[in-house]
Amino acid sequence: DAGITQSPRHKVTETGTPVTLRCHQTENHRYMYWYRQDPGHGLRLIHYSYGVKDTDKGEVSDGYSVSRSKTEDFLLTLESATSSQTSVYFCAISDHDEQYFGPGTRLTVT
Amino acid sequence: DAKTTQPTSMDCAEGRAANLPCNHSTISGNEYVYWYRQIHSQGPQYIIHGLKNNETNEMASLIITEDRKSSTLILPHATLRDTAVYYCIVRVAISGGTSYGKLTFGQGTILTVHP
Repeated sequence: DAGITQSPRHKVTETGTPVTLRCHQTENHRYMYWYRQDPGHGLRLIHYSYGVKDTDKGEVSDGYSVSRSKTEDFLLTLESATSSQTSVYFCAISDHDEQYFGPGTRLTVT
Repeated sequence: DAKTTQPTSMDCAEGRAANLPCNHSTISGNEYVYWYRQIHSQGPQYIIHGLKNNETNEMASLIITEDRKSSTLILPHATLRDTAVYYCIVRVAISGGTSYGKLTFGQGTILTVHP
């Protein structure tokens, strides 16, 4: 399995609080992605990165920001969490055409 | 990226071949067909991809029709561990454009392998 870890794996937070999810890779892959998965919607792309400090928006980027200061880490931040951001978040990495996914973070916003 | 159509669910007996179809009638010449699967509560797993020739790896075979408007993923000897949601995705390869490898997941096919 590709070396991808996500932290935390589970988190419960209150509405209005900031939350940062971390994706860490040991594969030195150029591309990194954040997806969310909700019932009835499948996986949807939030943000992606095509290099250090190079990021762009996906299809559901509102309310999220990302940062990538080094190759191995891609951070997803919810500046002020809302109940609609309750979801399972997956990070993925890629260097060619295949994407490899992390184990996911289950986030609950109460 | 081209849109794909897959059956909602399929069943297969353990040890038999599982054939999962996918329609992608609007596929462009530079778009590849990718298959991923997601076992319950885990992250999606890459299976195989191809452009126009049939492909085979240790997990599965991919058969793409000559007109490229449909494809079939074949799991030659399904096991209980193959029970998962299977996603067929069509997109340009990373090296072929500015898509940066973004994947657009549909609802997929729920494959249930029975003993």
